[in-house]
Amino acid sequence: GQNIDQPTEMTATEGAIVQINCTYQTSGFNGLFWYQQHAGEAPTFLSYNVLDGLEEKGRFSSFLSRSKGYSYLLLKELQMKDSASYLCAVLYNTDKLIFGTGTRLQVFP
Amino acid sequence: KAGVTQTPRYLIKTRGQQVTLSCSPISGHRSVSWYQQTPGQGLQFLFEYFSETQRNKGNFPGRFSGRQFSNSRSEMNVSTLELGDSALYLCASRESNYGYTFGSGTRLTVV
Repeated sequence: GQNIDQPTEMTATEGAIVQINCTYQTSGFNGLFWYQQHAGEAPTFLSYNVLDGLEEKGRFSSFLSRSKGYSYLLLKELQMKDSASYLCAVLYNTDKLIFGTGTRLQVFP
Repeated sequence: KAGVTQTPRYLIKTRGQQVTLSCSPISGHRSVSWYQQTPGQGLQFLFEYFSETQRNKGNFPGRFSGRQFSNSRSEMNVSTLELGDSALYLCASRESNYGYTFGSGTRLTVV
């Protein structure tokens, strides 16, 4: 199978830092995406990792370790608008993007 | 560039009916993937089309089918609808490995 695991829910305080982990099965791995989805809306692209290491984009960073089948999304200086679901998705081979069930993040003032 | 367009946005059908959903990808994108999203299951992969060919298929029954036209527009069809088919159906298009872009989805309610 191609199970992708991430925590179901997380909470954090405005201004804090939160790390959302994702583990996946490595066979056929061809890239990892993070998406943000607000309730009732379509997922929007946050980041893409295909090589090991950290990709930084403003307040959001994503890390990948291919040998460990592990990624995390790091959100800094949290804002209320960051309350959303965060979806980890792995591209297997070249044509099958499989999603985890998502992590619902609630940011409190 | 216009984004990914899905029609209709909302749909109500009764059990046993069939339904066709449409997805127009971003201009120049030849790959279209379809997903079913339900609260408990997250985004479940249905199928992926590239240049009118289905390249991959998820674990859904044969009642779920799709096709892609020469202009890259794609349709998915669900026959003999069941209550459990109520979901948000999303399509995503891409040009290469990078940059899957999602449409706003079609919310299907089966009553």
